[in-house]
Amino acid sequence: AQTIHQWPVAEIKAVGSPLSLGCTIKGKSSPNLYWYWQATGGTLQQLFYSITVGQVESVVQLNLSASRPKDDQFILSTEKLLLSHSGFYLCAWSPRDIYAEQFFGPGTRLTVL
Amino acid sequence: QQQVRQSPQSLTVWEGETAILNCSYEDSTFNYFPWYQQFPGEGPALLISIRSVSDKKEDGRFTIFFNKREKKLSLHITDSQPGDSATYFCAASDNVLYFGSGTKLTVEP
Repeated sequence: AQTIHQWPVAEIKAVGSPLSLGCTIKGKSSPNLYWYWQATGGTLQQLFYSITVGQVESVVQLNLSASRPKDDQFILSTEKLLLSHSGFYLCAWSPRDIYAEQFFGPGTRLTVL
Repeated sequence: QQQVRQSPQSLTVWEGETAILNCSYEDSTFNYFPWYQQFPGEGPALLISIRSVSDKKEDGRFTIFFNKREKKLSLHITDSQPGDSATYFCAASDNVLYFGSGTKLTVEP
């Protein structure tokens, strides 16, 4: 069975500080990986997707970047946090060549002060 | 332009009643429609989905009704339970997945 792990569970960070969030998927070879952002009480907005190691596509510009250093790992980062970055960050995966059937991780709650 | 719309924003039903959650979409090329259930503080979980070639999909107490001509679909939850209280997201896709704004369902005992 596939498992998806996100770290950390929650972060409280200062405006202007750097950020790195991680996601690991186990039990699935060469998945498509996605990052989503969700405001409190809001909808899900796709930020990035990756279909293979080393390749990441940006969907929206939010002063964030993403990387895929390994087949099972997806990293979301920024050098300078903004207040507007607060929210719930979700990693998701889908089987290769099946982009729409996405399964989400437990999420990371980010609070920027 | 919002690709997927959901209504109502919030819904309260009594235990045992049927909850009906509505969804509509803009793009006629969308061909896959999943519904996700999200509890507070958790990631969304895929609940049930339908492809545009079908007009109905049933899984236990959860049923999707799909009207391709009107670009509308609905999720029916029969015999609602307090444990069904959650936010439900409708989504639509050709390849990119677009989410609606969600319906917060409360089931009162």
